Amino acid sequence: GAGVSQSPSNKVTEKGKDVELRCDPISGHTALYWYRQSLGQGLEFLIYFQGNSAPDKSGLPSDRFSAERTGGSVSTLTIQRTQQEDSAVYLCASSSPTVTSGISTDTQYFGPGTRLTVL
Amino acid sequence: EDQVTQSPEALRLQEGESSSLNCSYTVSGLRGLFWYRQDPGKGPEFLFTLYSAGEEKEKERLKATLTKKESFLHITAPKPEDSATYLCAVQVSTGNQFYFGTGTSLTVIP
Repeated sequence: GAGVSQSPSNKVTEKGKDVELRCDPISGHTALYWYRQSLGQGLEFLIYFQGNSAPDKSGLPSDRFSAERTGGSVSTLTIQRTQQEDSAVYLCASSSPTVTSGISTDTQYFGPGTRLTVL
Repeated sequence: EDQVTQSPEALRLQEGESSSLNCSYTVSGLRGLFWYRQDPGKGPEFLFTLYSAGEEKEKERLKATLTKKESFLHITAPKPEDSATYLCAVQVSTGNQFYFGTGTSLTVIP
């Protein structure tokens, strides 16, 4: 079946502009994550959506970052007034919790990412 | 503080030369430990999930093991197509977060 898709694959913008990044998760997956990957850094958690619950926004680095998930499917990550330090690859992952030996875990399946460059 | 550390940062192997990658973790409670492979310009690709100390999983030339403090990804007789960055991640038992290591960049030379 289709995997996680993200668009655009590349985005170049000027400092101060707003950008929107889109994620289409795997059909039927209830959880959706956004991460940021900078050169030489590990994946940095940004935000988590699970079903109709309130999102976990604890990883958003500033109030310039926001995300929404419409209808429990497609998600959009918005960065307002972009700064050069926002340049990174933004990865989206989706999952559906599984239970193994009584433990619930989430195996995340990642999209290809959006490479954001802020000039 | 929850933390995941991977070593070495980079590893060069001759084709057929077996080795191991390390992922050590310090977390308040482990729900699962995950290994991913990431090729340049692509998103991470899921390899394994390990849940408890002593567990092992295998796939082709890869074998993942888990103790209470670390995980190893053993690569047996690697081939050039195994070249990639290998990421380790931990899902903690409280909250929704995953903690990722910075990865090991593996190069297998023909």
